[in-house]
Amino acid sequence: GQNIDQPTEMTATEGAIVQINCTYQTSGFNGLFWYQQHAGEAPTFLSYNVLDGLEEKGRFSSFLSRSKGYSYLLLKELQMKDSASYLCAAMDSNYQLIWGAGTKLIIKP
Amino acid sequence: DGGITQSPKYLFRKEGQNVTLSCEQNLNHDAMYWYRQDPGQGLRLIYYSQIVNDFQKGDIAEGYSVSREKKESFPLTVTSAQKNPTAFYLCASIPGGHGGELFFGEGSRLTVL
Repeated sequence: GQNIDQPTEMTATEGAIVQINCTYQTSGFNGLFWYQQHAGEAPTFLSYNVLDGLEEKGRFSSFLSRSKGYSYLLLKELQMKDSASYLCAAMDSNYQLIWGAGTKLIIKP
Repeated sequence: DGGITQSPKYLFRKEGQNVTLSCEQNLNHDAMYWYRQDPGQGLRLIYYSQIVNDFQKGDIAEGYSVSREKKESFPLTVTSAQKNPTAFYLCASIPGGHGGELFFGEGSRLTVL
C-alpha cells in the first residue's frame, strides 16, 4: 500500500534549527511536496523535490533521497511565526498526492 | 488578485440535510480538487476534475457529489448519506491536467449538529 510517515509533533526553540523527517512508500514516484499549514488555515506551498539532493530556499531547505524513500524539511533561524503544521505529500505514478498526517511544530521563546 | 474562493467559511448543518460548498477560481487552472481534513489525519481526496464536464471519485467519495459545468467552478455537495460530515473541507487547483503545486482555497469548516 501507499504510506507517508512523519512525526506527529516536534518542539524547538526560537532561533534554532529543526529538521522534520518524512518517509514514503508509493506506487511510482513523481515528486515530494512540503506544505505549511497554520491552524484553521489552508496549506501553503513550501517546496517540491523530484531529484535527489538538497534544495535551499531562504530559511527553508528540503532534501530528497529517492533510493531511501526519505525526505526532510530543514528550518533555520526559527521564528515564532514558524509555529504551524508541516505536511509532507508524495506524488504517485498517477500524479495523485499521498499525504502525511502532518507534523505540528511548536516554537518556544 | 487571482485565487481560489471558498464559501461559506463556516457552516452548521442539521443531520439529514444536504449542503453545498462553493469553490470558485480565477486562475484559469484546468484541474480542481476537493479534500477533507480531519484532526490527526492527512488530507483525503474526495473528488477531482481535470476538465470541464468530467470528474473522478477520490478515496472517500461516498456521500458526496460534485459538478464541473464551468472551468471556474467546482461545487461540492455533502449529502445526508455522508455519515460523519463534520470536517474541514479544502478546495484546490493546479494549472495543468495533473501534477504540480496545489493552490488551496481558505477552507470551509462544516459542523453537523
